[in-house]
Amino acid sequence: GQQVMQIPQYQHVQEGEDFTTYCNSSTTLSNIQWYKQRPGGHPVFLIQLVKSGEVKKQKRLTFQFGEAKKNSSLHITATQTTDVGTYFCAGPSGSGGSNYKLTFGKGTLLTVNP
Amino acid sequence: EAGVAQSPRYKIIEKRQSVAFWCNPISGHATLYWYQQILGQGPKLLIQFQNNGVVDDSQLPKDRFSAERLKGVDSTLKIQPAKLEDSAVYLCASSLLAGYSNQPQHFGDGTRLSIL
Repeated sequence: GQQVMQIPQYQHVQEGEDFTTYCNSSTTLSNIQWYKQRPGGHPVFLIQLVKSGEVKKQKRLTFQFGEAKKNSSLHITATQTTDVGTYFCAGPSGSGGSNYKLTFGKGTLLTVNP
Repeated sequence: EAGVAQSPRYKIIEKRQSVAFWCNPISGHATLYWYQQILGQGPKLLIQFQNNGVVDDSQLPKDRFSAERLKGVDSTLKIQPAKLEDSAVYLCASSLLAGYSNQPQHFGDGTRLSIL
């Protein structure tokens, strides 16, 4: 079945440093979603990418979808303590129509030293 | 709008006992999901409902797990009997439309289950 892999598993940075997490799928994706889960919290939807090579920005966060639609990245510029949490990518699998499900990566845990 | 409601927030039981979790999705959301999240891992889909029908339960351990979504609104997930490896957070999520892979999912706070 489809696999979604994320690296690194953990990343510790000093406040103000940049951070990047990478996501790779074993299959071509129709779209990819990113979620953030704060410690002790639940996943919160951040963004969805659909087009090949798409780049989207949300303030200090930049999301990219690869040309082959099999990989994606999330880059945070000048991290802040509020960025602490686990970042998950998730891609759909299934035969289309109503028969699909999201497969989540294992996530990248970001900690920020103030 | 009110978010996804789940109860209880925490549950501690002994192995071989039974437990049930409840979820009320966002009003009007057609699709409801139950996920299992083991510490340090991403959520794993257990079962997905569209309205009150099951569209995917391929990763649900059906010998011990069951779920229902009567009337296409709230849902319950049951484990009977529980095993030590069932210790996890059980997340419920919902999305607005049925049958589309590009729907953002809205998660509840989850139930943290500990098996002794």
